[in-house]
Amino acid sequence: EPEVTQTPSHQVTQMGQEVILRCVPISNHLYFYWYRQILGQKVEFLVSFYNNEISEKSEIFDDQFSVERPDGSNFTLKIRSTKLEDSAMYFCASSEEAPRRGAGETQYFGPGTRLLVL
Amino acid sequence: AQSVSQHNHHVILSEAASLELGCNYSYGGTVNLFWYVQYPGQHLQLLLKYFSGDPLVKGIKGFEAEFIKSKFSFNLRKPSVQWSDTAEYFCAVITLTGGGNKLTFGTGTQLKVEL
Repeated sequence: EPEVTQTPSHQVTQMGQEVILRCVPISNHLYFYWYRQILGQKVEFLVSFYNNEISEKSEIFDDQFSVERPDGSNFTLKIRSTKLEDSAMYFCASSEEAPRRGAGETQYFGPGTRLLVL
Repeated sequence: AQSVSQHNHHVILSEAASLELGCNYSYGGTVNLFWYVQYPGQHLQLLLKYFSGDPLVKGIKGFEAEFIKSKFSFNLRKPSVQWSDTAEYFCAVITLTGGGNKLTFGTGTQLKVEL
């Protein structure tokens, strides 16, 4: 069964450094998402991406964050200058279509990247 | 903005006990509802989903959930739990407005099943 994959599984970085988290969505999926989960808190939406542009983003997704689909398979999340509070588990997800009235679409999640900012 | 509440943060059950995990959401329009499960050391996996039709939906591993629109609820149930059901369970909602497609998650319920 196709799966979303993410690399690395763990990343430790110094505050102020740039990090790039990588995801390979399921191959025929068109919609891509990033979520994060700070330890002990709920999973929070960061951004959704479709047709090479951001379709929705949360308040968390400020100018320090960016997403890119550099080729036909990868979907990346870049944090330009990491802060201590960026330490979290970051989940990538993909779906074949976006939800629409009268139907729905399931988002499939990757295993996550645990980011620790020191 | 929509929100999702899961009332039980930690649940401990013995094998063969029945399970019901509560989930309430705050949005009054059309919703898609999901339960995801995260087994220890693994990623979020879809357990079941409700889009429309029969409000009682059946998922994998004997789980089911009932959508009660009047109560804004989507509780998860299993008649007889097993040790292997030990995991964290997340209720999530997508509200179908204006093309928005983000999942809003509850805080999760940590289930421990004892032998």
